[in-house]
Amino acid sequence: DSGVTQTPKHLITATGQRVTLRCSPRSGDLSVYWYQQSLDQGLQFLIQYYNGEERAKGNILERFSAQQFPDLHSELNLSSLELGDSALYFCASSVGAHPTPEAFFGQGTRLTVV
Amino acid sequence: DQQVKQNSPSLSVQEGRISILNCDYTNSMFDYFLWYKKYPAEGPTFLISISSIKDKNEDGRFTVFLNKSAKHLSLHIVPSQPGDSAVYFCAAARPGGSQGNLIFGKGTKLSVKP
Repeated sequence: DSGVTQTPKHLITATGQRVTLRCSPRSGDLSVYWYQQSLDQGLQFLIQYYNGEERAKGNILERFSAQQFPDLHSELNLSSLELGDSALYFCASSVGAHPTPEAFFGQGTRLTVV
Repeated sequence: DQQVKQNSPSLSVQEGRISILNCDYTNSMFDYFLWYKKYPAEGPTFLISISSIKDKNEDGRFTVFLNKSAKHLSLHIVPSQPGDSAVYFCAAARPGGSQGNLIFGKGTKLSVKP
């Protein structure tokens, strides 16, 4: 158990819908990272928040957004969903701003868009 | 443009033998490299890392070698055990600021046969 909690574990939704993925970081970790893993792809970095503020952006679509709340949990919002958005979405957390070895991953949310 | 490449999607090794997983990168600014292991239905777990100032780092059965001139790193597992069967991701990080996030390869699926 990494200490990073992601909910829900599985999500099935229709095209055009909007969903929210939730991540609770390890206790004491200030950084939250979101990654997307599509079929046969490596993990693609989406976005990072550090202590409530956006720190870095990767390959995140405009239809996607995220935020980190005062209690440090984070939510990833995916809207106008398309079939190609079906993927595993991972959250990771670390104490500092950089994911050196101490970045811990959650179990992921498997999103299926039908 | 893939900055971190794992050219072998899969590798099969006999129990007790050596497993060698390879990773190539294109960006000479990367200064920290990590290997993550991922079992099905779980998030990636940090395995071992190496800084660009070193050419070897060892942790028990796991050794990572870095060849900066070739922009190549490899993970050696000796002796391989059936429990090592998993997908292994190579990841690289650039120093500082908003660029400090990990860039992952697509992974190599290792199967260790009894």
